[in-house]
Amino acid sequence: GAGVSQSPSNKVTEKGKDVELRCDPISGHTALYWYRQRLGQGLEFLIYFQGNSAPDKSGLPSDRFSAERTGESVSTLTIQRTQQEDSAVYLCASGGQAGNYGYTFGSGTRLTVV
Amino acid sequence: RKEVEQDPGPFNVPEGATVAFNCTYSNSASQSFFWYRQDCRKEPKLLMSVYSSGNEDGRFTAQLNRASQYISLLIRDSKLSDSATYLCVVILGSATNKLIFGTGTLLAVQP
Repeated sequence: GAGVSQSPSNKVTEKGKDVELRCDPISGHTALYWYRQRLGQGLEFLIYFQGNSAPDKSGLPSDRFSAERTGESVSTLTIQRTQQEDSAVYLCASGGQAGNYGYTFGSGTRLTVV
Repeated sequence: RKEVEQDPGPFNVPEGATVAFNCTYSNSASQSFFWYRQDCRKEPKLLMSVYSSGNEDGRFTAQLNRASQYISLLIRDSKLSDSATYLCVVILGSATNKLIFGTGTLLAVQP
């Protein structure tokens, strides 16, 4: 498709389990971002990938969170030993290198930790 | 001080009204600016970029004031369908292209 695709759209997991979230960016987009949005709150920056540069991981809340991206393709966000406070919508956005035309978001993965 | 600050609102306005939102940013090195719109339980969608000279798209006008480090969004002739949260977004530029979001301003257009 032409947009940013995220999967799964919904995920319910038990506390302590690991989860993996996937983001397929728009083809050719060099920049990819992950954000977290808790219910009724703003977007919280997690991590940013730009081409083959080292990612900006400054927003990852703990070492239970990690993300990978190979080149300019798919990215995965992994949360290990999930906690209830990890429940949120995880949003991925991609954009061109200059960013002058803004960034496009996927519809997100709604994660619920029970 | 937050990197990007917005009045959370809500702004309750009647249909047809003109409403303006402001957003301030703390880093003078910021290079790119956008307004996004987010509907309830949906992902943010790009509304418009903000250019140095100001720009207009139909009923929407965006302006940038670098000296005072704020951007604004003006909505004329408000429609019910304009009800949403409006997010101010800043790209720091230079060493990083990290997107920084404000917490958003909630607009409710009343019939």
